[in-house]
Amino acid sequence: GAVVSQHPSWVICKSGTSVKIECRSLDFQATTMFWYRQFPKQSLMLMATSNEGSKATYEQGVEKDKFLINHASLTLSTLTVTSAHPEDSSFYICSAQGQATYGYTFGSGTRLTVV
Amino acid sequence: DAKTTQPPSMDCAEGRAANLPCNHSTISGNEYVYWYRQIHSQGPQYIIHGLKNNETNEMASLIITEDRKSSTLILPHATLRDTAVYYCIVRVNSGGSNYKLTFGKGTLLTVNP
Repeated sequence: GAVVSQHPSWVICKSGTSVKIECRSLDFQATTMFWYRQFPKQSLMLMATSNEGSKATYEQGVEKDKFLINHASLTLSTLTVTSAHPEDSSFYICSAQGQATYGYTFGSGTRLTVV
Repeated sequence: DAKTTQPPSMDCAEGRAANLPCNHSTISGNEYVYWYRQIHSQGPQYIIHGLKNNETNEMASLIITEDRKSSTLILPHATLRDTAVYYCIVRVNSGGSNYKLTFGKGTLLTVNP
């Protein structure tokens, strides 16, 4: 149980375009979802927390207009990187927490390369 | 900021127990300790978590000191597939009933044949 699917697993896009990443909880309802970013040889950095039906809470230094997060249902959250630039190239990982669990399940990550 | 400190790397022989330490001296009374691991280019995998008591599951054991200022993750019989970065995380309250996991730098455990 507790599976989180993230799609796509990798994407290459041109500078200036937008990219959407999906995060789905397959067998549980995720009341809270988290988005992280990880640069090579670094740890995961929390970008934002979203609760279903509410606006996301962004960590300090993360541009909310650039990284749009939507958590419209209890099983789906999306992260849209708008007007992507090469410096946005990174490994993006989502995590979901169910209502009846203390656990946090992570997706397999999305490798974004902006060229 | 992460509330944990871990050694950057450790080595372990295959088949032996791997003991990974973690310091969390500023932990509050109701904050849980979580352990995750990440194999290269994959999402973190949950291992175990605890509050005060020692915990054991099919993957590992978690030993938390009585003052809760440190803990040790024990992999009883390490295999080559256990080579990964291990993260010790203190779950903190981010407002209301919301909690978040803030990752530190973790420990790269290398299991050698």
